[in-house]
Amino acid sequence: AQTVTQSQPEMSVQEAETVTLSCTYDTSENNYYLFWYKQPPSRQMILVIRQEAYKQQNATENRFSVNFQKAAKSFSLKISDSQLGDTAMYFCAFILSYNQGGKLIFGQGTELSVKP
Amino acid sequence: DVKVTQSSRYLVKRTGEKVFLECVQDMDHENMFWYRQDPGLGLRLIYFSYDVKMKEKGDIPEGYSVSREKKERFSLILESASTNQTSMYLCASSFGAGTEETQYFGPGTRLLVL
Repeated sequence: AQTVTQSQPEMSVQEAETVTLSCTYDTSENNYYLFWYKQPPSRQMILVIRQEAYKQQNATENRFSVNFQKAAKSFSLKISDSQLGDTAMYFCAFILSYNQGGKLIFGQGTELSVKP
Repeated sequence: DVKVTQSSRYLVKRTGEKVFLECVQDMDHENMFWYRQDPGLGLRLIYFSYDVKMKEKGDIPEGYSVSREKKERFSLILESASTNQTSMYLCASSFGAGTEETQYFGPGTRLLVL
């Protein structure tokens, strides 16, 4: 069975600083996708970034980038130049490639506070 | 933009009541999902559907059922609500049969069962 672990329940960072959220996962499969989702307080969950396991290049989206280490089964999210609007719960998620309909497996979440 | 809406943001029900949570998406997505979100546990999949009238159990289906009579609408039913079903419920949808498709989430329904 696949599992996703986020070992940091809470983190804080000063505005404009850089922060890294960690995520590890466990699977015996080779083809899968990884995601980071953001859930701001009382607002909708939205996708931050996604990574295909077959791609060696780390995904980036503006100030958000990942460090994907396939052998280590690690998928960390780096937020550069943190902004107050980055305050949110962040979830790491994993999905296999072959399942019809999809079954996204989430980590426990990391609550990030960006302080002015 | 994809829009996923849920019928209620907050709901208070009594133990034993039958509860309906409705979810509607406006992007003609094939797949729809119901998750439950609890602190320290992340999101857990209750049920999902990859086509009209089709449903598959997720990781925690006990005490729940679902209905998908139309492509855009996916309902979660608590047949007899219990206090341990107090939680945040999130609906999501995704396009196509590929599991790699990004899931789009609704705003959530916070359910309190007394």
